[in-house]
Amino acid sequence: AQKVTQAQTEISVVEKEDVTLDCVYETRDTTYYLFWYKQPPSGELVFLIRRNSFDEQNEISGRYSWNFQKSTSSFNFTITASQVVDSAVYFCALSDLQGGSEKLVFGKGTKLTVNP
Amino acid sequence: EAGVAQSPRYKIIEKRQSVAFWCNPISGHATLYWYQQILGQGPKLLIQFQNNGVVDDSQLPKDRFSAERLKGVDSTLKIQPAKLEDSAVYLCASSLEGGGQSGNTIYFGEGSWLTVV
Repeated sequence: AQKVTQAQTEISVVEKEDVTLDCVYETRDTTYYLFWYKQPPSGELVFLIRRNSFDEQNEISGRYSWNFQKSTSSFNFTITASQVVDSAVYFCALSDLQGGSEKLVFGKGTKLTVNP
Repeated sequence: EAGVAQSPRYKIIEKRQSVAFWCNPISGHATLYWYQQILGQGPKLLIQFQNNGVVDDSQLPKDRFSAERLKGVDSTLKIQPAKLEDSAVYLCASSLEGGGQSGNTIYFGEGSWLTVV
């Protein structure tokens, strides 16, 4: 069965620090997709990135970067020079393509607090 | 482009009462999902529709939860009778097309926050 582990429950940093959120996944699928979502206090899950299992290139988008390593089944997320607005709960998710559906299996999330 | 719309945003009910949540997905999105998010946990899929057909409802507690998407657009999720453990955020989401290895991005609404007392 698909599983996503986010071992860090809560992280607190001071503004301008770099921070890495860890994500480890388990799957037997050869083709799969990994996602990161941000959930601010308002509750909406905001899509950040999608990565397919055949593309192991790291990606950078502004202050955000993602490191996908298939060998260790990890898809870590780094925020460079963190800001107070980055405070939120971040979820890593894995596609579950069994049985014709296409649902996401989420980790428990990491709550990031960026202090001024 | 308008996002996924949900209502009501907040609802407080007593146990054994009923409640209904409404969702309007992003225009053109064939696949609609209802997820349940209990405090401190990640969202869990309750049901997935492809147009107006159910693709996956394996984790829907069918003795008390029901959902429909009659015209393949809007959807309603109902809980009757509610239990204390149903207190959660109910997130509606949509994507262009599911059911397979498309890997389409799933977009979420702001959620409907339910408290059962």
